[in-house]
Amino acid sequence: AQSVTQLDSQVPVFEEAPVELRCNYSSSVSVYLFWYVQYPNQGLQLLLKYLSGSTLVKGINGFEAEFNKSQTSFHLRKPSVHISDTAEYFCAVRDGGSYIPTFGRGTSLIVHP
Amino acid sequence: EADIYQTPRYLVIGTGKKITLECSQTMGHDKMYWYQQDPGMELHLIHYSYGVNSTEKGDLSSESTVSRIRTEHFPLTLESARPSHTSQYLCASTRRGRDEKLFFGSGTQLSVL
Repeated sequence: AQSVTQLDSQVPVFEEAPVELRCNYSSSVSVYLFWYVQYPNQGLQLLLKYLSGSTLVKGINGFEAEFNKSQTSFHLRKPSVHISDTAEYFCAVRDGGSYIPTFGRGTSLIVHP
Repeated sequence: EADIYQTPRYLVIGTGKKITLECSQTMGHDKMYWYQQDPGMELHLIHYSYGVNSTEKGDLSSESTVSRIRTEHFPLTLESARPSHTSQYLCASTRRGRDEKLFFGSGTQLSVL
């Protein structure tokens, strides 16, 4: 079964600074990779996804992620964060043969003014 | 964008009560899921359905049950609630296709006293 590791439970950062949220998954032949964001008192919504093709994926709100097959990683980045980016971020992986995604524990991004 | 609704948003009940958490979607999605979310933990899949009259248990053992009599409706029932059931319950749905994103409801925060 697939497993997802989000190494940082909490990432504090100052506004306008760059940020990287890390995600590693267990190896598989083919995977679909997702990042979801959860704002306070809301459900999760998709930030971006990798299905195939270019390893650099751009999503909403200026976020991007890079798929690294050799390191089985899918780290999320933003060059300059805003206060409104404060939220919980979840990495999810779905095997090519399954309809069911596996989620990580989430990383709480806290942006300070 | 999400047309998936969960009620109630918050629920506080006593031990031993029977409860039903409602989830409805208006997108015609075949696949629906129930996840349990606790702070700092992975989202755990407790039930899923691939269509009407199809229900399966997820990877996390749960004393709850679900039904799928109509495509748009996927309620979750606890026959006798206990304090260990205190958690956030998230409902999600998706279209056909393994690369499709999940649409999440806003969740039900359940507290059992």
